[in-house]
Amino acid sequence: AQSVSQHNHHVILSEAASLELGCNYSYGGTVNLFWYVQYPGQHLQLLLKYFSGDPLVKGIKGFEAEFIKSKFSFNLRKPSVQWSDTAEYFCAVNYVGNAGNMLTFGGGTRLMVKP
Amino acid sequence: DGGITQSPKYLFRKEGQNVTLSCEQNLNHDAMYWYRQDPGQGLRLIYYSQIVNDFQKGDIAEGYSVSREKKESFPLTVTSAQKNPTAFYLCASSISHSIFMNTEAFFGQGTRLTVV
Repeated sequence: AQSVSQHNHHVILSEAASLELGCNYSYGGTVNLFWYVQYPGQHLQLLLKYFSGDPLVKGIKGFEAEFIKSKFSFNLRKPSVQWSDTAEYFCAVNYVGNAGNMLTFGGGTRLMVKP
Repeated sequence: DGGITQSPKYLFRKEGQNVTLSCEQNLNHDAMYWYRQDPGQGLRLIYYSQIVNDFQKGDIAEGYSVSREKKESFPLTVTSAQKNPTAFYLCASSISHSIFMNTEAFFGQGTRLTVV
């Protein structure tokens, strides 16, 4: 079965530290890639997405992610985190195949940023 | 405003009762999804529907049922057969009438179901 793995379940950082959250997927075909964020008490929001073109994509709030096809990875990065980045982050993959489009999520990473 | 509406926000039910969670969208999206979110387990797909009158099981469909009689609506029934129904349920939708169409999912606010 197609799957998405987020290896870091909990991450604790101090403000101004750099962030990198890992995301790997299992499908070798065409994929669309997403990072969603869920702030405490709020619904899921799209952070950034990759469909095609430049593998380095920039999203809202200073986040970026790099699609590395050879590694089946789509890691999320931010050079300097803020306390307001405390949230849960989900990587998601849309496997474009014969069965049609279906969105599969990773298990999520809880980020806590200490002030 | 276009979007996805889930109701109610909080729902309490007694063990052994069936309960139906509502999800409505006015985005004219073909595809709709139901996810269950549990602490430490992320989002797991329960059911999805690519088109009206058609739906497929996701990874954890046992104990759940859905219908898709209208494009705008995708209600989820949590049956008494679901062994651990207490969870946060999220509905989503996306444009999905072509496998070549880039898609992005839009989420509702969620329904927190507590079974006592």
